[in-house]
Amino acid sequence: DAGVTQSPTHLIKTRGQHVTLRCSPISGHKSVSWYQQVLGQGPQFIFQYYEKEERGRGNFPDRFSARQFPNYSSELNVNALLLGDSALYLCASSLVVGGLEQYFGPGTRLTVT
Amino acid sequence: GNSVTQMEGPVTLSEEAFLTINCTYTATGYPSLFWYVQYPGEGLQLLLKATKADDKGSNKGFEATYRKETTSFHLEKGSVQVSDSAVYFCALSAPEDSSASKIIFGSGTRLSIRP
Repeated sequence: DAGVTQSPTHLIKTRGQHVTLRCSPISGHKSVSWYQQVLGQGPQFIFQYYEKEERGRGNFPDRFSARQFPNYSSELNVNALLLGDSALYLCASSLVVGGLEQYFGPGTRLTVT
Repeated sequence: GNSVTQMEGPVTLSEEAFLTINCTYTATGYPSLFWYVQYPGEGLQLLLKATKADDKGSNKGFEATYRKETTSFHLEKGSVQVSDSAVYFCALSAPEDSSASKIIFGSGTRLSIRP
């Protein structure tokens, strides 16, 4: 079975631009979470979605938004990019919203210049 | 708030050496505890977990015991291999966040094993 997939793998954007990252969860998983991992640090929680509804949000500005589609895939959107948004963005899926078993994708490396 | 503190790296060991990576946590209630591993160029993989006090998680020769009295979850392996070279993250999921599966990660410990 395919694991969590994310696209694109790498992305280079300019300050002020907008970016959309995509994630497909493991088949049968209904919950998707997004994390930001700045170089040299641990991942930080951004959002969790379950059944197309936001179930949790981390301490990130409103420039960050996300949504989940009927097929449980998800998009993370970041507006007005800043240099500090450069990071590895990880998507994780789980069967249910309170599930302890979260499976991570390989991530999207975003570089903002 | 909830947090995880783990020993800073990098940690460099020779093959077959004994490994300990220290991890302590701060949390209200009874969190679940995890160790994740990130190999070069890859995403995070769950290495092991423990959901209640005195539980021992184990996988691939790695072990960690949930110690509530010392709020610790140290990672150990008796004999490391070159293939264990990676970044290891200690993490927790707090019960008050059960409406969301938010995982709180430590800053990571880079492990390098010399042949």
